[in-house]
Amino acid sequence: KAGVTQTPRYLIKTRGQQVTLSCSPISGHRSVSWYQQTPGQGLQFLFEYFSETQRNKGNFPGRFSGRQFSNSRSEMNVSTLELGDSALYLCASSLTTSSGELFFGEGSRLTVL
Amino acid sequence: QQQVKQSPQSLIVQKGGIPIINCAYENTAFDYFPWYQQFPGKGPALLIAIRPDVSEKKEGRFTISFNKSAKQFSLHIMDSQPGDSATYFCAASPRGGGFKTIFGAGTRLFVKA
Repeated sequence: KAGVTQTPRYLIKTRGQQVTLSCSPISGHRSVSWYQQTPGQGLQFLFEYFSETQRNKGNFPGRFSGRQFSNSRSEMNVSTLELGDSALYLCASSLTTSSGELFFGEGSRLTVL
Repeated sequence: QQQVKQSPQSLIVQKGGIPIINCAYENTAFDYFPWYQQFPGKGPALLIAIRPDVSEKKEGRFTISFNKSAKQFSLHIMDSQPGDSATYFCAASPRGGGFKTIFGAGTRLFVKA
């Protein structure tokens, strides 16, 4: 059974640009959540999607957005990039919204110059 | 109230030692307490988890001790091996809300050969 797939794995952008990250969850998993991981802040919850609907959102500015498609694949977008957005962005899938276990992808490492 | 406080930040032990990582939470609505293990370049992976109706859970060399009254839980790694060197995250999530999982800041463990 394939795991969670995130693309791209690495990317470099400059301030002011925008970026789109993609996540394909484990087959059959309908819940996808996104986390930002930085050395100073640990794992910070961004948002969660279930059946194409955003169910919960973390404390991030409106520049961070996401969506989920009918096949459960998800994308997150960051507009007007800032230096502080440099981080590892992790996607996690779970079977349902009530499932405690999260299955993480390997992440997309974003560097903003 | 949404924080999970994890300590220590880093830990070095000799092979065969028993590293202990501690976490504390405040929100009594949390009812699922997982530990995740993360190797460099990889996403976190679920290691072991406990619910508050038990005080201890063992899986192989990994043990969670849970103190509900003190709102604390800890991870013990028996007979630690160099291959256990990784970053460990404790987490907590409320009933029915895997996507609302709150993570500790992480502990970087190094096991000396």
